[in-house]
Amino acid sequence: DGGITQSPKYLFRKEGQNVTLSCEQNLNHDAMYWYRQDPGQGLRLIYYSQIVNDFQKGDIAEGYSVSREKKESFPLTVTSAQKNPTAFYLCASSIDYSNQPQHFGDGTRLSIL
Amino acid sequence: DAKTTQPNSMESNEEEPVHLPCNHSTISGTDYIHWYRQLPSQGPEYVIHGLTSNVNNRMASLAIAEDRKSSTLILHRATLRDAAVYYCILRYNNNDMRFGAGTRLTVKP
Repeated sequence: DGGITQSPKYLFRKEGQNVTLSCEQNLNHDAMYWYRQDPGQGLRLIYYSQIVNDFQKGDIAEGYSVSREKKESFPLTVTSAQKNPTAFYLCASSIDYSNQPQHFGDGTRLSIL
Repeated sequence: DAKTTQPNSMESNEEEPVHLPCNHSTISGTDYIHWYRQLPSQGPEYVIHGLTSNVNNRMASLAIAEDRKSSTLILHRATLRDAAVYYCILRYNNNDMRFGAGTRLTVKP
């Protein structure tokens, strides 16, 4: 089945450590996104990519980095500069960077040890 | 930025219709109205979207006020699987989505 796969489902980070969250899609979508969700709140955009080898900062990009070397993959690195990384991270994709619906993965829950 | 206002929570009985309201009084002419829902510990799921006319799909109906300052998501027969947080979102600049806190829908058997 086509869809978006995020891994791992749960991730623990030590202080000062960088961690990378995986997001893979087989929908042949050009655009991909990363969101952060804190308890009881809506989603906030971290980064987005309109096309391979291109990405743009969202509302809360500080302390995060991304790459888009392949169309199907959009990994997110949470760096040690992100002082409050504990959250639920969601990856999404859409056919293109337009008003098309976004398809979401099931998320990665990141916690600090 | 155009914002949306939704009730924090609503309750419904199973197999009854549910009307979820959303106010967006500062909507601009090019903003689309999107609805997503999110089950616990899952990613959001697209439900429906529209610009000016009412819209129907297999999941729900979207009723948009004539002045576009409000809209209503209609679930025609609520099931227990419809219990989720429902987000009303205005999409401007063709893409950017701003998620608020949404409405938590509880469906009682």
